[in-house]
Amino acid sequence: NAGVTQTPKFQVLKTGQSMTLQCAQDMNHNSMYWYRQDPGMGLRLIYYSASEGTTDKGEVPNGYNVSRLNKREFSLRLESAAPSQTSVYFCASRPLGNYNEQFFGPGTRLTVL
Amino acid sequence: GNSVTQMEGPVTLSEEAFLTINCTYTATGYPSLFWYVQYPGEGLQLLLKATKADDKGSNKGFEATYRKETTSFHLEKGSVQVSDSAVYFCALSVMDSNYQLIWGAGTKLIIKP
Repeated sequence: NAGVTQTPKFQVLKTGQSMTLQCAQDMNHNSMYWYRQDPGMGLRLIYYSASEGTTDKGEVPNGYNVSRLNKREFSLRLESAAPSQTSVYFCASRPLGNYNEQFFGPGTRLTVL
Repeated sequence: GNSVTQMEGPVTLSEEAFLTINCTYTATGYPSLFWYVQYPGEGLQLLLKATKADDKGSNKGFEATYRKETTSFHLEKGSVQVSDSAVYFCALSVMDSNYQLIWGAGTKLIIKP
């Protein structure tokens, strides 16, 4: 049981390049989330997917797109990377149920030059 | 709206000292409350949670009690160790926000030997 996995762990991009961050969970969770974490700002929600086939914007969606490929996988795409997108990105998943917590992946550290 | 306020860090203590990290919240409805911990270079892990008023969450010597009358969920530990050095995040989730986690900004804890 790997939990929540993210690839890659580190990435350096040039301004304007595109890339996709991958996230997968093997816990049969319904909901999945993408966050970014910047120094002194805590976690900010980019997009989430309450269930397979649905996605919704979070607090900071501009410059990102997501795909809920199936129940296991939820990818985050940067179409044209900008230096302001330099951050650590975390994926999380959550099972159904009122009181359940989110489970986090190890993160992807992205630098945009 | 829903929000979480944590005491600002860093908090620096000596080993075996008593720890309190304050967390207060505002929420519509009846939130579940969580403390997550992030060790250096790692993702977030759930430390403890409480789902209704007067519940006490506990784990690894840490405790927090859900106080509805003061809208607080303060984290405490009787005797901290160097290995407790990390960033601690308070968070809440409510049904009317589709159980999204609302995060505090995090409190960095530094324990000196």
